[in-house]
Amino acid sequence: DAKTTQPNSMESNEEEPVHLPCNHSTISGTDYIHWYRQLPSQGPEYVIHGLTSNVNNRMASLAIAEDRKSSTLILHRATLRDAAVYYCILRGSSGSARQLTFGSGTQLTVLP
Amino acid sequence: GAVVSQHPSRVICKSGTSVKIECRSLDFQATTMFWYRQFPKQSLMLMATSNEGSKATYEQGVEKDKFLINHASLTLSTLTVTSAHPEDSSFYICSAGQVLGSPLHFGNGTRLTVT
Repeated sequence: DAKTTQPNSMESNEEEPVHLPCNHSTISGTDYIHWYRQLPSQGPEYVIHGLTSNVNNRMASLAIAEDRKSSTLILHRATLRDAAVYYCILRGSSGSARQLTFGSGTQLTVLP
Repeated sequence: GAVVSQHPSRVICKSGTSVKIECRSLDFQATTMFWYRQFPKQSLMLMATSNEGSKATYEQGVEKDKFLINHASLTLSTLTVTSAHPEDSSFYICSAGQVLGSPLHFGNGTRLTVT
């Protein structure tokens, strides 16, 4: 499976934007870029995903590099409830690639 | 939106006993569900893929006779930890997706403590 690289931890101030980077230099043409987050003592929660174009939803935005070798999850205004581990995951589009393989993720701390 | 419900959220059992964890898809049918395990300060590790009406597929290193998976209906998968030992203490999480390629929905996990 193609792997992703994320910083172990990041800090942000409340009410400010947060840019969480992810490198995936071995991504294949059919891999989708998924982001999930996990709050303490909870199961992961879907955030956003994309293939080539930038994506926006109510939770966040996903900016994908033109060569698709990196992407950035953008939280436009961080709140204390956004403190979580954020996982960037590459996921194929068929067959056995249905499951998600989690890396170590980025622990986001939001400072009041 | 789609919801996956997991029960119980927390269980404490004695060494040597068995524990059953249920995972339900509440408003969609799931032919496939996934079971993960997470140790403290570590990431989620896929244990097995649960397939409705057929045998589960286990990841390398996961004992199928110890972690029994049953997926008897399109909305329910169960994981039974048999003859539990303290090293089985962990956070167990299930997930399912509505259709192939759609985002996965996760249960809130089961914290298992074996004393």
